[in-house]
Amino acid sequence: DVKVTQSSRYLVKRTGEKVFLECVQDMDHENMFWYRQDPGLGLRLIYFSYDVKMKEKGDIPEGYSVSREKKERFSLILESASTNQTSMYLCASSLGQGRVFFFGEGSRLTVL
Amino acid sequence: AQSVTQLDSHVSVSEGTPVLLRCNYSSSYSPSLFWYVQHPNKGLQLLLKYTSAATLVKGINGFEAEFKKSETSFHLTKPSAHMSDAAEYFCVVSDPLWSGTYKYIFGTGTRLKVLA
Repeated sequence: DVKVTQSSRYLVKRTGEKVFLECVQDMDHENMFWYRQDPGLGLRLIYFSYDVKMKEKGDIPEGYSVSREKKERFSLILESASTNQTSMYLCASSLGQGRVFFFGEGSRLTVL
Repeated sequence: AQSVTQLDSHVSVSEGTPVLLRCNYSSSYSPSLFWYVQHPNKGLQLLLKYTSAATLVKGINGFEAEFKKSETSFHLTKPSAHMSDAAEYFCVVSDPLWSGTYKYIFGTGTRLKVLA
């Protein structure tokens, strides 16, 4: 079975702190994605990556950056956390031209 | 641009009665459509997918969905609800990217409540 692991399930940070959210997949998938989930808004794409060291902006990239130094790992970075970034963050991966996504269990971030 | 609309934000059914979760899509070409389920504090799990084969798609846990091009709909159904079906359900369309991969466009979700 494909496994997508988000190491931090729950985080509490203060405004202005730098935050790292890590995601690791174990099935050699080319594509990885970061989504943000908010009630009533569904999931919105922040960034994605289709290869090592490649990244593309999604629909709401402002305030975020990403890093993909190894194929299995995709990190989401909040350079200076703000309260409006309090949310559930979901990582997903998929094969090169695959249409089925596999999701991690999410990282719930609270920024005070 | 592709989009999906989930017509109900909340649906309540009694255990043992049918479930209907409605989804309409907008696409300029033949879409790939999916339903995912999310239980509390969990990630999303694939229920079923439509990728231009049979229009009636069967998924896990007794769910199925029918692709109706004339109505631009992809409604999710189950003949008999179980308490364990209580969760949030997302209708998704995949959108091709220039790189040859796909990104997902999500509906806003339908929260299903099952009453004993």
